Amino acid sequence: GAVVSQHPSWVICKSGTSVKIECRSLDFQATTMFWYRQFPKQSLMLMATSNEGSKATYEQGVEKDKFLINHASLTLSTLTVTSAHPEDSSFYICSVSPGQLTYEQYFGPGTRLTVT
Amino acid sequence: GNSVTQMEGPVTLSEEAFLTINCTYTATGYPSLFWYVQYPGEGLQLLLKATKADDKGSNKGFEATYRKETTSFHLEKGSVQVSDSAVYFCALITGGGNKLTFGTGTQLKVEL
Repeated sequence: GAVVSQHPSWVICKSGTSVKIECRSLDFQATTMFWYRQFPKQSLMLMATSNEGSKATYEQGVEKDKFLINHASLTLSTLTVTSAHPEDSSFYICSVSPGQLTYEQYFGPGTRLTVT
Repeated sequence: GNSVTQMEGPVTLSEEAFLTINCTYTATGYPSLFWYVQYPGEGLQLLLKATKADDKGSNKGFEATYRKETTSFHLEKGSVQVSDSAVYFCALITGGGNKLTFGTGTQLKVEL
């Protein structure tokens, strides 16, 4: 399977600041990347689907102006949490897909965000 | 809408014990079913899958059978090892979509 990295693995920021999380596909070109968030003892919730070179598609209830997604290349997608608040504290996970078989998703190890 | 329900963890077993992690689902349409595993510090990995009723997915000694009549996809392994300690997620996809719906995950701890 594909190797996917996320950076940083954990980050603490102050309320009102912005945080950028990177997701990299290290060994294949990913036409599609997904961003999930996970609260403790809850399932992964899809936030948005990101296709290289086009705007991300956000799930219902996800604020696209707050969670900015950029997929500028076939190996890199970024998620920026703008004006973060404590309720944004969560575990953010990305996945990449080669696009041929839609169930094929390769996941990054996740980024723990804590907003104080 | 779609949803997946898993048994809560953590599940603690002794090495060589039999494992069952229950998973049931509700779905619009005819789902494909998956089990993912997440080892400490790593991303989720696909463990096994089944795409139609009565299919049995298997990998690394784990298996799960797609039971349409009970809307279940329980994960089993006959003899667990310490190295199986991880979090296990049941998930589904419906139709031609690419959106995975996950359960909450079940943490498995295997002790010597």
